[in-house]
Amino acid sequence: GAVVSQHPSRVICKSGTSVKIECRSLDFQATTMFWYRQFPKQSLMLMATSNEGSKATYEQGVEKDKFLINHASLTLSTLTVTSAHPEDSSFYICSAYRGELYGYTFGSGTRLTVV
Amino acid sequence: AQKVTQAQTEISVVEKEDVTLDCVYETRDTTYYLFWYKQPPSGELVFLIRRNSFDEQNEISGRYSWNFQKSTSSFNFTITASQVVDSAVYFCALRAFGNEKLTFGTGTRLTIIP
Repeated sequence: GAVVSQHPSRVICKSGTSVKIECRSLDFQATTMFWYRQFPKQSLMLMATSNEGSKATYEQGVEKDKFLINHASLTLSTLTVTSAHPEDSSFYICSAYRGELYGYTFGSGTRLTVV
Repeated sequence: AQKVTQAQTEISVVEKEDVTLDCVYETRDTTYYLFWYKQPPSGELVFLIRRNSFDEQNEISGRYSWNFQKSTSSFNFTITASQVVDSAVYFCALRAFGNEKLTFGTGTRLTIIP
């Protein structure tokens, strides 16, 4: 079946540094990618929607300058957490939308810890 | 606006017991999809089912069954003869036709006690 490969699965970074998370669709083209954030024991909160070749659409309250999303190709979308702080520590998940018939394929998630 | 409510935050049952996870939704859309996902401790989301709003037939897949009732805006999920491997967080989700965004419930953490 279709797979979205998300890397890294875990990352620890120092406060003030930037971290890039990649989601790569294997064997299919992802025109739309959703990025979610999940705090411990909480639900998935949609951060932004990215479409290949255009600017991402951010949900209300999400800082677009802090969470940079790039969807430069049909198989790769990236989320960069810039100048990370401890409060950015969270679980980040991407999801590729494959149309009405196939629905969503989720990445395996990235656990970010900022120290 | 859409909303999905999973009132049960945590449930624990002994292995082999049946368990039902509740999901109640709100939407103004007349056509929509409902979903259930499983999130095991590893974190990835596993798709379980998608049901569209004009198909109220109940569905059974092995030990899993789903009861969709439009009259009560509910889409409940039952696991029969639960197993330890069923331990996970389960999310109910909703999206309208023509809108790609999913609205997730708050999830129910299910623990199966051996």
